[in-house]
Amino acid sequence: GQNIDQPTEMTATEGAIVQINCTYQTSGFNGLFWYQQHAGEAPTFLSYNVLDGLEEKGRFSSFLSRSKGYSYLLLKELQMKDSASYLCAVRGRGFQKLVFGTGTRLLVSP
Amino acid sequence: KAGVTQTPRYLIKTRGQQVTLSCSPISGHRSVSWYQQTPGQGLQFLFEYFSETQRNKGNFPGRFSGRQFSNSRSEMNVSTLELGDSALYLCASSQEGNEQFFGPGTRLTVL
Repeated sequence: GQNIDQPTEMTATEGAIVQINCTYQTSGFNGLFWYQQHAGEAPTFLSYNVLDGLEEKGRFSSFLSRSKGYSYLLLKELQMKDSASYLCAVRGRGFQKLVFGTGTRLLVSP
Repeated sequence: KAGVTQTPRYLIKTRGQQVTLSCSPISGHRSVSWYQQTPGQGLQFLFEYFSETQRNKGNFPGRFSGRQFSNSRSEMNVSTLELGDSALYLCASSQEGNEQFFGPGTRLTVL
């Protein structure tokens, strides 16, 4: 079976750093994705990890440990516009089926 | 490049009816995936098409079906609608092996 866990909700302050964790158990692994989804909008791609380690892209970084079935998304210098849901998704072996977690709703306050 | 487009954006149907949703992928993308998003269940995979063939299927009943045309445009159909089918239906396209780009979705309400 496949199971992806991430916290339901997190709060943080503008300018701070927040780390959103994701743990997964899947029958196959061919990459982990992070998406951002603002209320009423489609998910937008943030990052992709297939090998262990940290991928940095501006204010956003994503880390993967395949042996631990663990990833995190790190958001630095938080801005109000970062208030959104953050979705962790795992792709199994082959093809394009993504299994999504239920998402973490992040609220950034002034 | 134009993004993924979905039509219609909003739809209201009654129980027992059927519905067809359409998705046009980004030009050059041959893989099209469909997802259902509800507040309680999050994003759930319906099926994926590549070169007019269904390559992968999620755990949804046979009332949910889809197809892909030679120009990579895709449609999904839901027959005998139930109240629980009310959801946001998202289509995503990708080049093989790369990230998926989502369309704005079709919000279906079943009364």
